[in-house]
Amino acid sequence: QVQLVESGGGVVQPGRSLRLSCAASGFTFSSYGMHWVRQAPGKGLEWVADIWHDGSNKYYADSVKGRFTISRDNSKNTLYLQMNGLRAEDTAVYYCAKDYYASGMVKDYWGQGTLVTVSS
Amino acid sequence: QSVLTQPPSVSAAPGQKVTISCSGSSSNIGSNYVSWYQQLPGTAPKLLIYDNTKRPSGIPDRFSGSKSGTSATLGITGLQTGDEADYYCGTWDRSLSAGVFGGGTKLTVL
Repeated sequence: QVQLVESGGGVVQPGRSLRLSCAASGFTFSSYGMHWVRQAPGKGLEWVADIWHDGSNKYYADSVKGRFTISRDNSKNTLYLQMNGLRAEDTAVYYCAKDYYASGMVKDYWGQGTLVTVSS
Repeated sequence: QSVLTQPPSVSAAPGQKVTISCSGSSSNIGSNYVSWYQQLPGTAPKLLIYDNTKRPSGIPDRFSGSKSGTSATLGITGLQTGDEADYYCGTWDRSLSAGVFGGGTKLTVL
């Protein structure tokens, strides 16, 4: 069965960096696009970034562009989100999600999420 | 403010039907497929509908999706108390070159 397990969340000071990981199993990781989606406490879903199955294309929300970098290692079945210059408004649960397609916007499986808290 | 507009809340009695709207523009809903997600309290979102009308395996046919122009609709029939959740629509916006979600709709089954 498909499993997505995020890790790397925690408490970090404003301006610092954090790298999230998402370990995938139960499917051919290299065949599917992947996404990061976040949810601030008590708020709705916000799409953060996505990467095509082969890493050839990456897209970002304006709110994180230039600060966050999505990447993947298909040999390790792992998705990453490098977050630099963190701000208080980046505080959220971060979910990784698998796409139904190689490059699309249908998130058919989600991880349990990892909480990132940006605070001094 | 979300790019896609959903009503903040809807409610209906058990056994009844409810619809949740999602309004966008020509750059998102008008030119791309729409997906719908259900988020039960304290859990990760779950895919309910994709490509406007398709249901993943395991999703009961009580859930349906439709799209017309720049709006999409999620329908739920035979409401159950277990359907109480937040529902989100999502798609791609070609002008933003970004994924977008609606603000979410809280369903209450009275």
